[in-house]
Amino acid sequence: DTAVSQTPKYLVTQMGNDKSIKCEQNLGHDTMYWYKQDSKKFLKIMFSYNNKELIINETVPNRFSPKSPDKAHLNLHINSLELGDSAVYFCASSQRLAGVGQETQYFGPGTRLLVL
Amino acid sequence: GDSVTQMEGPVTLSEEAFLTINCTYTATGYPSLFWYVQYPGEGLQLLLKATKADDKGSNKGFEATYRKETTSFHLEKGSVQVSDSAVYFCALSEDNNDMRFGAGTRLTVKP
Repeated sequence: DTAVSQTPKYLVTQMGNDKSIKCEQNLGHDTMYWYKQDSKKFLKIMFSYNNKELIINETVPNRFSPKSPDKAHLNLHINSLELGDSAVYFCASSQRLAGVGQETQYFGPGTRLLVL
Repeated sequence: GDSVTQMEGPVTLSEEAFLTINCTYTATGYPSLFWYVQYPGEGLQLLLKATKADDKGSNKGFEATYRKETTSFHLEKGSVQVSDSAVYFCALSEDNNDMRFGAGTRLTVKP
């Protein structure tokens, strides 16, 4: 069974559209994250959620909004997509907030977003 | 703030060659250090980790030792295989902080 899954795997869309990427983890973890990987392969954390509470928000545009219906899911909504949003987005989860207890994060396969 | 710097790629080696990917970090406290690997078309996977100074993480023939005195966590493997071709990320995590990743190093191993 896949521990952390994301859908869709690929997403191609036009500028100005609104899209969502879904993430689910079946590990029973309390914390989930979204990362953006840029063209140089650098991963930048965007959000993390702990028990439905947003605890980290790394100065991303407010066009991006995480939504967590329950602790097993953390979806990423993006409004008014821009060309610069093209990237690979990774979802991850950990038992607790990474760092506290030095928890290991488990990553999903990534969603490749291309904005035309 | 905390940060991770790793050697820029790409790195191209022949099969059975020795691999070193350098990683150094800056942190205010005592972070845990990780190496993640991303195989083509897949997500990140934890390769190994070390949680305190002088710890050695090892997995699949890869090793890295947490060196506090040099703030380093270099990844090594004695004999690489074609299947080791991937992008390798060094990362750190400190108490009450998120994960900080390096830029990644692409390794290509040729038969």
